[in-house]
Amino acid sequence: EIVLTQSPATLSLSPGERATLSCRANQSISSYLAWYQHKPGQAPRLLIYDASNRATGIPARFSGSGSGTDFTLTISSLEPEDFAVYYCQRRGRTFGQGTKVEIK
Amino acid sequence: QITLKESGPTLVKPTQTLTLTCTFSGFSLSTSEVGVGWIRQPPGKALEWLALIYWDDDKRYSPSLKSRLTVTKDTSKNQVVLTMTNVDPVDTATYYCARRRPEDEGLGYFDYWGQGTLVTVSS
Repeated sequence: EIVLTQSPATLSLSPGERATLSCRANQSISSYLAWYQHKPGQAPRLLIYDASNRATGIPARFSGSGSGTDFTLTISSLEPEDFAVYYCQRRGRTFGQGTKVEIK
Repeated sequence: QITLKESGPTLVKPTQTLTLTCTFSGFSLSTSEVGVGWIRQPPGKALEWLALIYWDDDKRYSPSLKSRLTVTKDTSKNQVVLTMTNVDPVDTATYYCARRRPEDEGLGYFDYWGQGTLVTVSS
């Protein structure tokens, strides 16, 4: 069974700062990884697919990298609307536990 | 414009069967490579993938819940129905339906989601 572990659980940052979120798989998943943004009461939003491809309409400040077992989502400069929970997902099934990006 | 919306009971008793409906617009489940999936999120916990139905009626289920889940589609109504039998309080969650990206291989990723519906399992 493939398990995705996200770190840190919570990231406390200020607007304008850079956010770096990690997702690690317990075995190789090639580049089959997506990142979603989820705000309370809203539908999750696909940000990145296949590790590094931005989904339609996603701002360039969001970028994804990695392959194999280690993946990173980077938000280059946090906007107020970026404070949310971020989930990684192996293509098809497994989701990570999430990283909450909160205002410091 | 693609939209999806979940509907169903907000409260279900333990051991009962839960039936949720996803009504969507802006795409068709008769179009090749299209799929609709179900995902849930228990309060304070992470997302959990449940099931997926493809345009050709192929279906995939979470291995841990496979015996309790059934997903069906009504293409003429633009609806997908998820049935979960023998519910338990641990099934309390917000249930989401979402569209699988047609460009993807395999189970794919979800590019459009509904707002979700909270289902509470309690006697």
